[in-house]
Amino acid sequence: DQQVKQNSPSLSVQEGRISILNCDYTNSMFDYFLWYKKYPAEGPTFLISISSIKDKNEDGRFTVFLNKSAKHLSLHIVPSQPGDSAVYFCAASARSGNNDMRFGAGTRLTVKP
Amino acid sequence: DTGVSQNPRHKITKRGQNVTFRCDPISEHNRLYWYRQTLGQGPEFLTYFQNEAQLEKSRLLSDRFSAERPKGSFSTLEIQRTEQGDSAMYLCASSLGAVTSYGYTFGSGTRLTVV
Repeated sequence: DQQVKQNSPSLSVQEGRISILNCDYTNSMFDYFLWYKKYPAEGPTFLISISSIKDKNEDGRFTVFLNKSAKHLSLHIVPSQPGDSAVYFCAASARSGNNDMRFGAGTRLTVKP
Repeated sequence: DTGVSQNPRHKITKRGQNVTFRCDPISEHNRLYWYRQTLGQGPEFLTYFQNEAQLEKSRLLSDRFSAERPKGSFSTLEIQRTEQGDSAMYLCASSLGAVTSYGYTFGSGTRLTVV
C-alpha cells in the first residue's frame, strides 16, 4: 500500500522561477515529514523536514508547507537553480510506530538555464 | 567518519546465485535500515536494526533475504537464489534514535543486476 504519493513524475521549470513539488499521504499517524534529494548514482540526501505541529518550515531557498487536514505537503524552491535538477522524494514517519520512513515515488525536477 | 558506506557499489550475478552486501553506518548511529529502490519508485522499506536487534521486517523481505547486524556495527544483507526481480538498488541508512528533523543518512547504495 502506497501511503505516500507523489503524483507528478516530472516537473520542468525555468531558472529563477519557483518550483513546487507536491506530496500526499494517507496515514493520519504520520507526524514527521521530510524531503530528500537524489542525484544519479548517489543515495538520497536530506533536504528539509517538518513536524506535524507546524505548517511551514523554511531553510534558505527551500520551504515546506504542511496541510494536515488535506494530508498534503509541498516543497517550494525559490529561486530555482540548474543545480537543483534532481529527483525529489517525499517521506513520512510515525514516531508512535517503528519510525521507519515511507517514501513517495519521487518527482524529477529539471531546471532549465 | 565519512558517512554511510556500502559495498560493493555494483554487483552483477547470475540468476540462482547468492549475493551479500555490506553496510557500514555512521559509527555513533544505533539504528540501521535497509531499503530497496527500483526504477521509477521511491525507496521501499525492507528492515531495520536497533543496535544488533532486528526490530521490523517488511513483507517485501521474503525468506530468500536475510539481514544481520552482529555487535550492532556493520550490517550485511544476503539474497539467496537470486531472481531477476531482485534487480534493484539496495540502500542502507543509519540514524541516531528515531526519526529526527534530519531524517536518516543514506549510503550511495549497491546496484544489483541479476542476469
